[in-house]
Amino acid sequence: GAGVSQSPSNKVTEKGKDVELRCDPISGHTALYWYRQSLGQGLEFLIYFQGNSAPDKSGLPSDRFSAERTGGSVSTLTIQRTQQEDSAVYLCASSLMTGYNTIYFGEGSWLTVV
Amino acid sequence: GQQVMQIPQYQHVQEGEDFTTYCNSSTTLSNIQWYKQRPGGHPVFLIQLVKSGEVKKQKRLTFQFGEAKKNSSLHITATQTTDVGTYFCAGFDNDGQNFVFGPGTRLSVLP
Repeated sequence: GAGVSQSPSNKVTEKGKDVELRCDPISGHTALYWYRQSLGQGLEFLIYFQGNSAPDKSGLPSDRFSAERTGGSVSTLTIQRTQQEDSAVYLCASSLMTGYNTIYFGEGSWLTVV
Repeated sequence: GQQVMQIPQYQHVQEGEDFTTYCNSSTTLSNIQWYKQRPGGHPVFLIQLVKSGEVKKQKRLTFQFGEAKKNSSLHITATQTTDVGTYFCAGFDNDGQNFVFGPGTRLSVLP
């Protein structure tokens, strides 16, 4: 696609429910990143993929968070048993490969846990 | 682990004044990138610096990469209201794997 596509753009969910956020990177981009941004805050690194593998999962806040990427393309970030502190914008980004390339961001998925 | 810091956290300027944000890394960076995020938007790539001591200009914006490749600055000359937003620096460590963002500097421009 022309840019990084994320869905849903907005999600309101009840505390305790599971949510799935989807990211479709720019075609041909092998590296994919997930970040979280709470209101008015900076970008918090969650996880990145090189191809289908995730060399660094250290940023995932808890074991309720998981992510996968299949076919070297689409990625899903799953949050189980959501908590109110999970409310944030979840930003996905992609680049040609990890290392030295420009990173392009999607418009984000705004998650509100009530 | 690698940490990237930015100062100031907030800056309020009168339209027409200059603005500078500074970025400092705890470790040497292989490159540094700057992003701008408008209120309610997502980060948008501005520029990448790779060489030690590199200086690049984009119209009223001047970007500099330090000689030791551990710091960088973004300077805006004669700010305009369209410059409002949060400016993030980000960089890869020397392994090229770990990409870390600074906390950002939020710029307000008063007309």
